[in-house]
Amino acid sequence: GAVVSQHPSRVICKSGTSVKIECRSLDFQATTMFWYRQFPKKSLMLMATSNEGSKATYEQGVEKDKFLINHASLTLSTLTVTSAHPEDSSFYICSARGSGGAFSPLHFGNGTRLTVT
Amino acid sequence: AQSVTQLDSQVPVFEEAPVELRCNYSSSVSVYLFWYVQYPNQGLQLLLKYLSGSTLVESINGFEAEFNKSQTSFHLRKPSVHISDTAEYFCAVSGGRMNTGFQKLVFGTGTRLLVSP
Repeated sequence: GAVVSQHPSRVICKSGTSVKIECRSLDFQATTMFWYRQFPKKSLMLMATSNEGSKATYEQGVEKDKFLINHASLTLSTLTVTSAHPEDSSFYICSARGSGGAFSPLHFGNGTRLTVT
Repeated sequence: AQSVTQLDSQVPVFEEAPVELRCNYSSSVSVYLFWYVQYPNQGLQLLLKYLSGSTLVESINGFEAEFNKSQTSFHLRKPSVHISDTAEYFCAVSGGRMNTGFQKLVFGTGTRLLVSP
């Protein structure tokens, strides 16, 4: 089946530094990728939707200058948390939709646990 | 806008017992409904989905869910659970017009199913 690889699985960084998370579709072309944030005991909160070759669409309340999303190719999207602070510590998950149309199923990565000290 | 409520944060059950995980949604438009499962340290996997047609949908591993429009529910059931079913289960909803397909998924807060021997 379709696989989405997310890297790294865990990252610890110091406050004020930036962290990049990669999301790759390994065996299909992902025209659309979604980035979610998951808090403990909370649901997955959609942060943004990225379409290959265009600017990401951010959900209300998500700082686009802080969470930079790049979808430069059909197999790679990146999320960069800039000037990270402890409150950015969370579990980030990406999902990707194939090029089979709007009803293509979503495939999820295994997530990245970010800890900002 | 859509929203999903999973009232049970955790459901403990003994092996081979039946289980029901509750999911209620709210939406002003027609919806598509999903159940995802997340095993420890893994991403989300689609368990089953309701798009249209028969209100009872089944997964390959014995789970089933029934779409009840009047009660705005999509409860997940299994007549006999296994230890390996221990995981986090997320109900999700998306809405929108048929020709735009699966739009953004809105997730519930998840229910942890704990199966013990």
